[in-house]
Amino acid sequence: DTGVSQDPRHKITKRGQNVTFRCDPISEHNRLYWYRQTLGQGPEFLTYFQNEAQLEKSRLLSDRFSAERPKGSFSTLEIQRTEQGDSAMYLCASSLSQSQETQYFGPGTRLLVL
Amino acid sequence: GDSVTQMEGPVTLSEEAFLTINCTYTATGYPSLFWYVQYPGEGLQLLLKATKADDKGSNKGFEATYRKETTSFHLEKGSVQVSDSAVYFCALSDQGTGNQFYFGTGTSLTVIP
Repeated sequence: DTGVSQDPRHKITKRGQNVTFRCDPISEHNRLYWYRQTLGQGPEFLTYFQNEAQLEKSRLLSDRFSAERPKGSFSTLEIQRTEQGDSAMYLCASSLSQSQETQYFGPGTRLLVL
Repeated sequence: GDSVTQMEGPVTLSEEAFLTINCTYTATGYPSLFWYVQYPGEGLQLLLKATKADDKGSNKGFEATYRKETTSFHLEKGSVQVSDSAVYFCALSDQGTGNQFYFGTGTSLTVIP
């Protein structure tokens, strides 16, 4: 098991472009979480999945943000019409579905919007 | 709503000094509490956790005790090493909010020889 992986590790884009990030969780984990981390802050929860079902998405930052996990394995996070304020580290984590189970984090995707 | 308040840094200590990083929380249910560590250039790693009141989590010489009466989960280590230099995040997970994690802002620790 190689842990949670994220791709790409770095992304530079121009304002107004769309970007998509991928997360591959630990294989036996059925919960998958997305967070955003800005400089000097702790990670901020965005959304999470139980298998393919998106159980919480009210914390997504705007309607420009969307996430999918179509087959209950990997997940994608898309940001449409990027803005400079979207520049941040986007983290993915996975866990088993037991109550309050430890989350294991990937290395993150660092986004820079010019 | 749920939240975590963490001691602000940065913190600079000499090797073998005693470390305390304060963390207090607010939660509507019965949270689990965690300390995560982020070493330079690396991702978040679980350091220790406690799932109920009076539990003590420990790992790599670090300890934290879940104190419900003071809503605290302070991180301590008796003798820090240069290799402990990192950013430390306190976090809670509340079953009532779908197990999403709430993180503190992080405390940067630098240990000098």
